[in-house]
Amino acid sequence: NAGVTQTPKFQVLKTGQSMTLQCAQDMNHEYMSWYRQDPGMGLRLIHYSVGAGITDQGEVPNGYNVSRSTTEDFPLRLLSAAPSQTSVYFCASSYNPANEKLFFGSGTQLSVL
Amino acid sequence: TQLLEQSPQFLSIQEGENLTVYCNSSSVFSSLQWYRQEPGEGPVLLVTVVTGGEVKKLKRLTFQFGDARKDSSLHITAAQPGDTGLYLCAGRLHSGAGSYQLTFGKGTKLSVIP
Repeated sequence: NAGVTQTPKFQVLKTGQSMTLQCAQDMNHEYMSWYRQDPGMGLRLIHYSVGAGITDQGEVPNGYNVSRSTTEDFPLRLLSAAPSQTSVYFCASSYNPANEKLFFGSGTQLSVL
Repeated sequence: TQLLEQSPQFLSIQEGENLTVYCNSSSVFSSLQWYRQEPGEGPVLLVTVVTGGEVKKLKRLTFQFGDARKDSSLHITAAQPGDTGLYLCAGRLHSGAGSYQLTFGKGTKLSVIP
């Protein structure tokens, strides 16, 4: 059972470049979310989805887009990367929005130069 | 303003010592969770507490939810090097919009020295 799979593990971008962080889960979870983790800031919610075709903004959504065309996949897109987006990104999922157990991927470390 | 305040931010102790980390808020939470995160990995859920005053034990770890559901503590007895990691508390607000969203504290970084 793979759980939540994130790719890539590491990425370096130049300012202005675009890229997509991939997230897939094989647990048939309705709820999926993206967090960023910065030193001294904890985990902050970027975007989330309560089911296929439904997405919403979290605490820090600016500069990021998401879509949820299938239950399994929840990609995070950076349209024009900025140094302020240097961070570690985590995808997480749970059976439904109210379910207490959140499963995290192993993260993507992104550096924007 | 941080909704959940964790203390201490850093903690370095010798193997065998006891320790307590705290998670405090002025808001009421319907539930509160504790996660442990190791370097290069995502957080892993340790426990969820939902009732005011609730105490849960996981081997040498004891978790307590405050009576007013505004705070929680994690006590580790006889710490081991394997306990080293970042401990995060996360809560779901009792009411209001987005009440199913988890809010995370900044974490307590624990180092247990052999």
